[in-house]
Amino acid sequence: DAKTTQPTSMDCAEGRAANLPCNHSTISGNEYVYWYRQIHSQGPQYIIHGLKNNETNEMASLIITEDRKSSTLILPHATLRDTAVYYCIVKYSNKLVFGAGTILRVKS
Amino acid sequence: NAGVTQTPKFQVLKTGQSMTLQCAQDMNHNSMYWYRQDPGMGLRLIYYSASEGTTDKGEVPNGYNVSRLNKREFSLRLESAAPSQTSVYFCASSVTFEGELFFGEGSRLTVL
Repeated sequence: DAKTTQPTSMDCAEGRAANLPCNHSTISGNEYVYWYRQIHSQGPQYIIHGLKNNETNEMASLIITEDRKSSTLILPHATLRDTAVYYCIVKYSNKLVFGAGTILRVKS
Repeated sequence: NAGVTQTPKFQVLKTGQSMTLQCAQDMNHNSMYWYRQDPGMGLRLIYYSASEGTTDKGEVPNGYNVSRLNKREFSLRLESAAPSQTSVYFCASSVTFEGELFFGEGSRLTVL
């Protein structure tokens, strides 16, 4: 089973890039890496996902190492509204299994 | 579009009572899911339905039953509520089993 390891919490200055790391050393060749975030007690929100290549969308960029054992989510210009819990997820037995995530605090 | 709608948003039960959480999506998605989230923890999958007419157990199915009533609706039933089932319950849906999940706003359940 592919599981993920993330730091418990991180701080980031407003306007700076937030780089959130994730280790997934047991990932299988055909498993995607997904990122979601949860603001307060709202339902989680999809951010981005990828398999091998780096991905970018309007919210963030996802950098996956060549050996696929780790990845980094990049929020290029963090704002106070990006304060949330960020979950890095690899599918386990065909199901999205959420870990504890990283609490990102964006500070002014 | 409303997206994923959960009812009720809040509920207080006594131990042993039963109740059903309702979930409906208007995005014509094939797959639907029920998660629970305990304070300070990530989400844990209770049950899921990869497509209409199928349901499967997730990580923590004990004490729950589900029904995929039709393509739009996926309900979660607690037959005999226990204090350990106090949690926030999230319903989600996706176009396919591999796709992005869209979550509802959650249902906050307290069992006394």
